[in-house]
Amino acid sequence: EVQLVESGGGLVQPGGSLRLSCAASGFTFSSYWMSWVRQAPGKGLEWVANIKQDGSEKYYVDSVKGRFTISRDNAKNSLYLQMNSLRAEDTAVYYCARDRFLLGPWGQGTLVTVSS
Amino acid sequence: DIQMTQSPSSLSASVGDRVTITCQASQDISNYLNWYQQKPGKAPKLLIYDASNLETGVPSRFSGSGSGTDFTFTISSLQPEDIATYYCQQYDNLPPDFGPGTKVDIK
Repeated sequence: EVQLVESGGGLVQPGGSLRLSCAASGFTFSSYWMSWVRQAPGKGLEWVANIKQDGSEKYYVDSVKGRFTISRDNAKNSLYLQMNSLRAEDTAVYYCARDRFLLGPWGQGTLVTVSS
Repeated sequence: DIQMTQSPSSLSASVGDRVTITCQASQDISNYLNWYQQKPGKAPKLLIYDASNLETGVPSRFSGSGSGTDFTFTISSLQPEDIATYYCQQYDNLPPDFGPGTKVDIK
């Protein structure tokens, strides 16, 4: 069974940093693009970033460019999102999802709250 | 960026009703359009990809159609378990943006 489990969310002050992790199992992780998508409380879905199988290509939504970094460790079947210079508007549930564009399956999400 | 709109933003229908949601892109996206279902408190789930292809395991009462800028998502016979918010998503261009969602509930 394909499983994605996010971790690393929490409460952080504006300007702070957080690193999210996504542990993958049940499929050949190194064969898939992987993505991060977020959802602010009560709002819709927003694609954040994706990364190619070997990490050689990475793409970001404009609002996080220069602040967030997506990475992966295929040996550990893990996906990461390093988030720096966090802002209140980054408050959201962050989901990892398999694939570049046909996103599925998804993890259960991890909540990031940016507040003083 | 390509702008995605959906209508209606919400709807109420009876069990067994046919439900139709439309999604419009601000420019031609060919058939690079997916539909997702998000039940309350849960992660989204891919239902339809490339505008009209049903993801494996998804009930056949769900269908999609369209190309270019105008797309339709249909539930042929609404079931209680279909209560959810439905999102379209284009992937012709980066960023692969989602529509604002359509909330479906039972009348």
